[in-house]
Amino acid sequence: DSGVTQTPKHLITATGQRVTLRCSPRSGDLSVYWYQQSLDQGLQFLIQYYNGEERAKGNILERFSAQQFPDLHSELNLSSLELGDSALYFCASSPRGYEQYFGPGTRLTVT
Amino acid sequence: EDKVVQSPLSLVVHEGDTVTLNCSYEVTNFRSLLWYKQEKKAPTFLFMLTSSGIEKKSGRLSSILDKKELFSILNITATQTGDSAIYLCAVGNSGGSNYKLTFGKGTLLTVNP
Repeated sequence: DSGVTQTPKHLITATGQRVTLRCSPRSGDLSVYWYQQSLDQGLQFLIQYYNGEERAKGNILERFSAQQFPDLHSELNLSSLELGDSALYFCASSPRGYEQYFGPGTRLTVT
Repeated sequence: EDKVVQSPLSLVVHEGDTVTLNCSYEVTNFRSLLWYKQEKKAPTFLFMLTSSGIEKKSGRLSSILDKKELFSILNITATQTGDSAIYLCAVGNSGGSNYKLTFGKGTLLTVNP
């Protein structure tokens, strides 16, 4: 157990819908990272927050957005969902900006 | 664009064998190279190698970093069925609060009894 929690574990929704994924980092970690993992693309970095501020962006679609709250938990919002958005979404937190510890992930299925 | 390439893509061995997994990279402003093990779900952290620590060992697992040739290897000796997993290599660039990891596609290791 890495100490990073994510909810929900599974999410099934229809195309065009909007969902919110939640992540709580390890105690004391200020950085939160979001990743998408699909079979063909591997683990893709989406976005990073540090102490409430966006710090780095990866291959994040405009339909996706995230935020980090004052208590350091983070949410990833996915809207206008498409079949291709079906994937595992991981959150990771980091104490010093080097090693990252991953949560258990949310499996999103878009039907 | 930052790139991390792992080889082989998959590997099947018997218990007791020794395996070597490879990771080569091209990134700007290299800071660290990390190895993760992914079994059923979340990647779990194994090692981090940096300029100040180019060799790490933990039990049957060891890793080295060659910063000149831009690659790393992960060795697993006396493999066990519990070592079956996807092994991910990731390279970190920049530093501090703007740090970003680029992952390779992984090596799927299957250890048969």
